[in-house]
Amino acid sequence: DGGITQSPKYLFRKEGQNVTLSCEQNLNHDAMYWYRQDPGQGLRLIYYSQIVNDFQKGDIAEGYSVSREKKESFPLTVTSAQKNPTAFYLCASIGLAGTGELFFGEGSRLTVL
Amino acid sequence: GEDVEQSLFLSVREGDSSVINCTYTDSSSTYLYWYKQEPGAGLQLLTYIFSNMDMKQDQRLTVLLNKKDKHLSLRIADTQTGDSAIYFCAESIGPRSGSARQLTFGSGTQLTVLP
Repeated sequence: DGGITQSPKYLFRKEGQNVTLSCEQNLNHDAMYWYRQDPGQGLRLIYYSQIVNDFQKGDIAEGYSVSREKKESFPLTVTSAQKNPTAFYLCASIGLAGTGELFFGEGSRLTVL
Repeated sequence: GEDVEQSLFLSVREGDSSVINCTYTDSSSTYLYWYKQEPGAGLQLLTYIFSNMDMKQDQRLTVLLNKKDKHLSLRIADTQTGDSAIYFCAESIGPRSGSARQLTFGSGTQLTVLP
């Protein structure tokens, strides 16, 4: 079945370590997004990519990095520069056709110890 | 600027109707969406409405859009315990088929259905 796969589901990290969250989609979507979700704050856009080898900063890009070497993959690295990385991270994608809604992965919960 | 606001909590009795409200500020929004999020999971699209529509009904769901007041609501008829979740409204600006689409989300409304 087509969809978006995020891994790992749960991740623990020590302070000062970088960690990479995986996002893979087999929907043939061009655009992919990373959101951060904190309780009571909704979703905030970290980075997005409209096409391979191109990506743009969202509202809260500081302390994060991404790459888009393949259409199917959009990994997010949470660097040690991110001051408050504990959160739920959601990857999404959107196709060019249809109603234009975002399709979401199941999320990755990162906890910094 | 873009800003989407929702109340944080709503409790209803099983079998009653639930109404979740949302206000947005950008009058150029072209599409508005309702997403559902169950605990520890991603968001699933429930329904959407085009900005040139006033109402959309889909089984137990009714969406009302008041463009003048920039107000969007989601009514769930005969609410069940399985409807307990967080509900997000989102607005979208931009061309329908463009991958440059950006969605702005509200903070989400936690719906609790009491037996």
